[in-house]
Parts: sequence; C-alpha cells; structure tokens
Amino acid sequence: DTAVSQTPKYLVTQMGNDKSIKCEQNLGHDTMYWYKQDSKKFLKIMFSYNNKELIINETVPNRFSPKSPDKAHLNLHINSLELGDSAVYFCASSQQGVGYTFGSGTRLTVV
Amino acid sequence: GQQLNQSPQSMFIQEGEDVSMNCTSSSIFNTWLWYKQDPGEGPVLLIALYKAGELTSNGRLTAQFGITRKDSFLNISASIPSDVGIYFCAGQLGSYNNNDMRFGAGTRLTVKP
Repeated sequence: DTAVSQTPKYLVTQMGNDKSIKCEQNLGHDTMYWYKQDSKKFLKIMFSYNNKELIINETVPNRFSPKSPDKAHLNLHINSLELGDSAVYFCASSQQGVGYTFGSGTRLTVV
Repeated sequence: GQQLNQSPQSMFIQEGEDVSMNCTSSSIFNTWLWYKQDPGEGPVLLIALYKAGELTSNGRLTAQFGITRKDSFLNISASIPSDVGIYFCAGQLGSYNNNDMRFGAGTRLTVKP
C-alpha cells in the first residue's frame, strides 16, 4: 500500500481553469503538507495542516486553497490557473513534525 | 525565513569514489535531515539528525549535525550507479508553532559506471 498517494500524477490544463489535486495518507500521521517544486528543483512549503487546522500558510496566492475533510486527506484547489503555476506539487505527512513522508508528486502544466 | 545554502550544486563522479556535500544556514536548526529524490518521485528520507555534534550512519551514508547547529554534511562512500539523484538537506526548528521543514536547493549527483 502506498503511504502517501496523490492524484493525478500528471495534469495539463489551460490558463484560467480551476483544478484540484488530491492527497491521502494511510500512516495515521497528524500533520499533512503541500510543497511546490519549481523547474530548478527548489522545494518550497505552501501549507501545513494539523488535525484539520491550518497552522502554516506561506505567502502563496489566495487562488490556492487547501481543504482537509479529515486527518488522512489534504486536497489542494487552485482557481484561475496561471502559467507560473506550472510545477510539481508534493503532498507530505508527518507525525509530530518528524520525518516527513512524501507522495510521488503531481506534475501540473498550465498551457 | 531561514535560508539553507547547499553545495555543491552538482557533482559528476566515477563509480567507487566517495562523495561529500554540505549545507549551511544563517539560522539555528534543531533538526537536520537529508533526503534523496529520484526522477519522477518524491524525496525520501535518508538520515535525520537531532542533536548538535551527532554523527549518524545509514549503510554507506554518513551525516553530521554541526556543533553550531547551523550546518550539516552528508558523505557517501564507494558510490554506485543507483546513488544518482538529487540530494536535499532540510532543517526544522522543531517548535510547536513553527515546525515546517525548509529545504536546500539540492545537490545533483551523477555517477559514471
């Protein structure tokens, strides 16, 4: 069983569209995260959710909104997609902030 | 926010050689971690360090948490082709309201057979 699973793995969409990326973890971890990896492979944290409560909200545009229906899921909704949103988005989870486990990523391409 | 400087950016080595990469920060971290990312996958944790001065090994990998808590290094001995990938250092403050993990820019390792 995959510990942290993201869907879809690839997403190609036009500018202006709204899209969602889903993430689920079966590790029983209490915190989940979204990271963005740009074309230079730099990883930057976007959001962190602990027990369904947002505890970090980095300076990302409000077009991005995390939604956590329960402790095992953290979905990422993106409205009005822009070319600069093209990147690989990684979901991760941890127990008490230690030893993050990452998903395999969602490559988003905005055309 | 805290900035991690990782070097070198890339390395091209021959199979069997030893590799060393390091990470420095202008801020103190309470936890240092090293991850490896293979193409098309997410980063995978290699080694976690929790105490200043700590030296930890994981097979052919050895990492150290600097005494000042502002740096860490990773060594890989006797490299093999499957060591190819991007290695990231990461630091965490470890406080309740600020436990996010910050990454270095990565070291891209190429191993020639």
